[in-house]
Order: sequence, then structure tokens, then C-alpha cells
Amino acid sequence: DAMVIQNPRYQVTQFGKPVTLSCSQTLNHNVMYWYQQKSSQAPKLLFHYYDKDFNNEADTPDNFQSRRPNTSFCFLDIRSPGLGDAAMYLCATSRETAYEAFFGQGTRLTVV
Amino acid sequence: GQQLNQSPQSMFIQEGEDVSMNCTSSSIFNTWLWYKQDPGEGPVLLIALYKAGELTSNGRLTAQFGITRKDSFLNISASIPSDVGIYFCAGKSYNQGGKLIFGQGTELSVKP
Repeated sequence: DAMVIQNPRYQVTQFGKPVTLSCSQTLNHNVMYWYQQKSSQAPKLLFHYYDKDFNNEADTPDNFQSRRPNTSFCFLDIRSPGLGDAAMYLCATSRETAYEAFFGQGTRLTVV
Repeated sequence: GQQLNQSPQSMFIQEGEDVSMNCTSSSIFNTWLWYKQDPGEGPVLLIALYKAGELTSNGRLTAQFGITRKDSFLNISASIPSDVGIYFCAGKSYNQGGKLIFGQGTELSVKP
């Protein structure tokens, strides 16, 4: 059974049109992460939450925002997608800061 | 910021051969993780390491947490065609609030 669920698997959005990607978890983990992964590259951390504490990476563009309304859900908002934002977006969870992280299947974002 | 250097970038091996890949860092990590990623999917956790010197196996996979806490290796014995994919190391430090960063990945190809 999937424990970290990302919806949708594939998302097509128009240039400049806001888009939201969602992630849910059934593990009751404290930490949730969002990564961007471009072709043939490693996942790049955008931000992560420890409970409600938000930790933004210094090089994450302002165009990317996140919300975590409760333990189970976390959203990635891209306010004005550009062509360069086309990528796989990965969500992951971890029970505590030191423990292993589990990933969802990802959302492939296409910007047209 | 922290960086993980993973090598080799790619490997082409014959079925049945053993494989070794490693990650090094200029700073200490408290947790080392190894993942495998198939095309279009999220990374899948293979092995988690929590203590310096720890050696852990998962079937044909063996990984070790380096004594200095600045390196880790992954060995795959008797490779099979389904081992094909991209392998990533990832690390966490206690003083980074659960932040998980990735190495550049090792792409493994197995020739039957």
C-alpha cells in the first residue's frame, strides 16, 4: 500500500498559470520534503517541514511556495511556472530528523 | 553548503559481476541512505545507516557507514538485469533539521 501519495502523477500547466501539486502520507511522519528533479540530475531539495516549522533552501526561487495544513498533507505551489520549471517533483517523509526518508512516486510537471 | 560526491557516475557491467559505488563528503553526516530510482518513479530506499562503522546488508546489497562519518559505500553482488537503474546516496546531519541531500547518482547498466 502506498504510504506517500502524490497527485497527480502527470500535470500539464500553461506558462505563467499557477499550479499546485499535492502530497499526502499515511505514516504520521513529522518531516515532509519537496524536491525538484530534472532529467539526469539528482533530486534538489526545495524546502522541508519539521511539523509546522518551514525550512526553505536559500536557492529556492520565490516562485515556489509550500503549505502544510496538517500532518498528513503538504502542497507545492508554483505561482508563475516558467518553461524551466518543467521537472519531476518528489515528495518525501521522515519520522524524525535522523531517520530514513520515504518517497512518493513523483509528479511529472510539463509547462506549455 | 554540504555536498556529496558520488562515484562513479556510470557503470557498464556484465550480469553476474559485483558492483561498488561510494559517496564522500567534506562534512560529517549522522545518517547515510542509499536509494535506487527507476525511470519515471520516485527513489526507493535500499539501505539506511545510522552509526559510524555500521555494515548493513539487504539481500545482495551491502552498505557501510564510514568510520569518519564522511563517506559510505554500496556494494551489489552477482548483479542481475533488474539491478539496472540510478543509485543515489543521501545524507542527513542532526544540526540541519532533518535536511536530506543527495549525491549525483550512479547509473548502472547490466548486460545479460
